[in-house]
Amino acid sequence: DTGVSQNPRHKITKRGQNVTFRCDPISEHNRLYWYRQTLGQGPEFLTYFQNEAQLEKSRLLSDRFSAERPKGSFSTLEIQRTEQGDSAMYLCASSSGTGGGDTEAFFGQGTRLTVV
Amino acid sequence: AQKVTQAQTEISVVEKEDVTLDCVYETRDTTYYLFWYKQPPSGELVFLIRRNSFDEQNEISGRYSWNFQKSTSSFNFTITASQVVDSAVYFCALTTRAGGFKTIFGAGTRLFVKA
Repeated sequence: DTGVSQNPRHKITKRGQNVTFRCDPISEHNRLYWYRQTLGQGPEFLTYFQNEAQLEKSRLLSDRFSAERPKGSFSTLEIQRTEQGDSAMYLCASSSGTGGGDTEAFFGQGTRLTVV
Repeated sequence: AQKVTQAQTEISVVEKEDVTLDCVYETRDTTYYLFWYKQPPSGELVFLIRRNSFDEQNEISGRYSWNFQKSTSSFNFTITASQVVDSAVYFCALTTRAGGFKTIFGAGTRLFVKA
């Protein structure tokens, strides 16, 4: 297994456009997470999936953001009507386990979004 | 509420020096998990270590060591004999059973190791 894979690695878009990112987790991992990281800050939690179920969403995830994990494997994160404030690195992570927060997450290399 | 504080924004050392990165956490949950991650210039977060709240045994792994003290809510990380390749941003992180599955990260400490 090659780890968590994200694409695209970079995305430049005009304000108001929609963008979609994809994450392929480590194959045997049932948990998948999305985080956002801005310059000089630590990652901030956006949302979490256990298999195909979206179990938790941050207040950071406005109505313009939607995430799916239709078959419990890969996930997509869509941002509609992008704003300049959406410019950030979007990180995907996956983990295994059955307890709450008790296993480390493995991260992809992220998708860097620039909204111009 | 859960919170992770990394008071050191940047640290600069000369190769072969030892360096300690500080981390202080806040949680009311009695069951929690602490992590250190490394983010090199390539951007990918690399998992280094996990500690459970009920396991205060400190650990040494090669040049890395960790000091977990519940009494002071600290989880510090030390690199012995630092190398240029250690240059990266290091994040301390926390998950709690009550907090669900999200991981709370500190703001990170940028470590520069100069040759």
